[in-house]
Amino acid sequence: AQSVTQLGSHVSVSEGALVLLRCNYSSSVPPYLFWYVQYPNQGLQLLLKYTTGATLVKGINGFEAEFKKSETSFHLTKPSAHMSDAAEYFCAVTSSSGSARQLTFGSGTQLTVLP
Amino acid sequence: GAGVSQSPSNKVTEKGKDVELRCDPISGHTALYWYRQSLGQGLEFLIYFQGNSAPDKSGLPSDRFSAERTGGSVSTLTIQRTQQEDSAVYLCASSLAVVPTDTQYFGPGTRLTVL
Repeated sequence: AQSVTQLGSHVSVSEGALVLLRCNYSSSVPPYLFWYVQYPNQGLQLLLKYTTGATLVKGINGFEAEFKKSETSFHLTKPSAHMSDAAEYFCAVTSSSGSARQLTFGSGTQLTVLP
Repeated sequence: GAGVSQSPSNKVTEKGKDVELRCDPISGHTALYWYRQSLGQGLEFLIYFQGNSAPDKSGLPSDRFSAERTGGSVSTLTIQRTQQEDSAVYLCASSLAVVPTDTQYFGPGTRLTVL
């Protein structure tokens, strides 16, 4: 079974400050990891994903995440927050083996950007 | 090109009524997923379809829920005898193929309210 834990249901940062959203996963097989963003009344949009290879993954809108197997983490960062980054962020995992293909999501982190 | 579309965007129904929710995936995508997003349970997987294979129904919460996919394209999620706990946003996603590294593209969702 797989699971994702997102620490901090709400995170507030000032505009221009570092954004750090935490994600830890549990998986008995090598995981594939994703970060999605959801703006109000919209569906989820992929920010970035880790499958294999380079552990530092760059995504859209200046976001990046680093896969750390030893820490079972996949934290999302952005050097400088912008007002338009205010949204809800979801970390998700799927399995690299077996037949299941659905995403298992964390509970989400609401990011507020303060002027 | 066109993304995943869902209809209706909002649905209000009375307890005990049946509802149908529709999803139009991205053209050419062979995999289609349904998820449910609710305040209490977060984002939960419901069902997925892969081409002409039997769907994976392992996430359906009860036998009141069913889904079909006609002609490998449009999908309908049906909830019979709706209950108040069915109130949620129902999200549909599609991907090019059912491999775990493929990006799932989400529609805007249908917000279901059961009175």
